[in-house]
Amino acid sequence: GAGVSQSPSNKVTEKGKDVELRCDPISGHTALYWYRQSLGQGLEFLIYFQGNSAPDKSGLPSDRFSAERTGGSVSTLTIQRTQQEDSAVYLCASSMGLAVDTQYFGPGTRLTVL
Amino acid sequence: AQSVAQPEDQVNVAEGNPLTVKCTYSVSGNPYLFWYVQYPNRGLQFLLKYITGDNLVKGSYGFEAEFNKSQTSFHLKKPSALVSDSALYFCAVRDFLNNAGNMLTFGGGTRLMVKP
Repeated sequence: GAGVSQSPSNKVTEKGKDVELRCDPISGHTALYWYRQSLGQGLEFLIYFQGNSAPDKSGLPSDRFSAERTGGSVSTLTIQRTQQEDSAVYLCASSMGLAVDTQYFGPGTRLTVL
Repeated sequence: AQSVAQPEDQVNVAEGNPLTVKCTYSVSGNPYLFWYVQYPNRGLQFLLKYITGDNLVKGSYGFEAEFNKSQTSFHLKKPSALVSDSALYFCAVRDFLNNAGNMLTFGGGTRLMVKP
């Protein structure tokens, strides 16, 4: 079946601009995660959605970052006033929602802030 | 808190030889452990996981990993390496009891280079 999809695959933007990254999880998966992969920080958790519960935003690095998940499916990660240190690969994952369940990752969005 | 260490940035092995990629973890509760592989310009692909039961876990592409509670390790192994196994490997942990968010904590990654 279809896996996790993300768009765009690449995004180049200028410092100070806002960007939106999209994630379409596997159908039926109730949990959705955003991670960031960068050279200096490795793979780090950003935000977690589970069903209709309030999201866990504990990994967001600043208030310039926000995310929403509409209708329990598609999610959008928004970065406002982008900075050069925001340059990274943003990975989305989804799972059935239990602690034992595997998280399946999308191909990622490579963000470059000039 | 949960953490993962992958002590080797890179592992080099000749094709046909056995390979091991090391991983140690730290959790305050019981660990759920995962291995993922990342090929260039791709997302992470799931290889295998340990939840409970048999300490030896078998996964995709002939990989296996052994959970060792006393050594807090979860090393990835394969009896005979292929050139196509060359990739970046990540170990990840989730603390079963103390992690309501179920997020994964990843190690820094180990680059595996298999030479013909």
